[in-house]
Amino acid sequence: AQTVTQSQPEMSVQEAETVTLSCTYDTSENNYYLFWYKQPPSRQMILVIRQEAYKQQNATENRFSVNFQKAAKSFSLKISDSQLGDTAMYFCAFTGGAQKLVFGQGTRLTINP
Amino acid sequence: GAGVSQSPSNKVTEKGKDVELRCDPISGHTALYWYRQSLGQGLEFLIYFQGNSAPDKSGLPSDRFSAERTGGSVSTLTIQRTQQEDSAVYLCASSSAVAGGNEQFFGPGTRLTVL
Repeated sequence: AQTVTQSQPEMSVQEAETVTLSCTYDTSENNYYLFWYKQPPSRQMILVIRQEAYKQQNATENRFSVNFQKAAKSFSLKISDSQLGDTAMYFCAFTGGAQKLVFGQGTRLTINP
Repeated sequence: GAGVSQSPSNKVTEKGKDVELRCDPISGHTALYWYRQSLGQGLEFLIYFQGNSAPDKSGLPSDRFSAERTGGSVSTLTIQRTQQEDSAVYLCASSSAVAGGNEQFFGPGTRLTVL
């Protein structure tokens, strides 16, 4: 069974700083995808970034980038130049052949002005 | 375009009552998922529909939970004889294809409170 672990329940940084959220996972599958989802207080889950396991190049989306270490089964999210609107719960998630998303427990990120 | 919609947004019920939660996926999306988000258990997969295939029910926690998807579009999650531990936010998501890794678009969820 796949598992996803986020070891940081809460993090807090000042606006404009860079912050890194950690995620590790466990799977025996070779073909899979990893995601970071953001859930603001509105409850709406929003995709932040996606990584295909067969791609060695780390995904980037504007201020968001990942550090994907396949051998270590690590998938961290870096947020550069953090903004107040980045305040949210962040979930790391995995999907493989079964299609369903397996989520980590989440990291509550607060950006302080 | 319209996103995934869910109704009701909040539901309060008494223990032992049945509830129905509705999900309208994005038009044209063939895959539909239900997840449950609770304080104790985090985000859990419940059930997955893909086209006309038999649904993957492996995440349903008990036989009090069931779901159907009519006409490949709208889905209803039914919880019979609700218990207090069923209190949670129920999230629906849809995606456009079977291929792994496609983005799942989530609805705003239904917050269920069982008194």
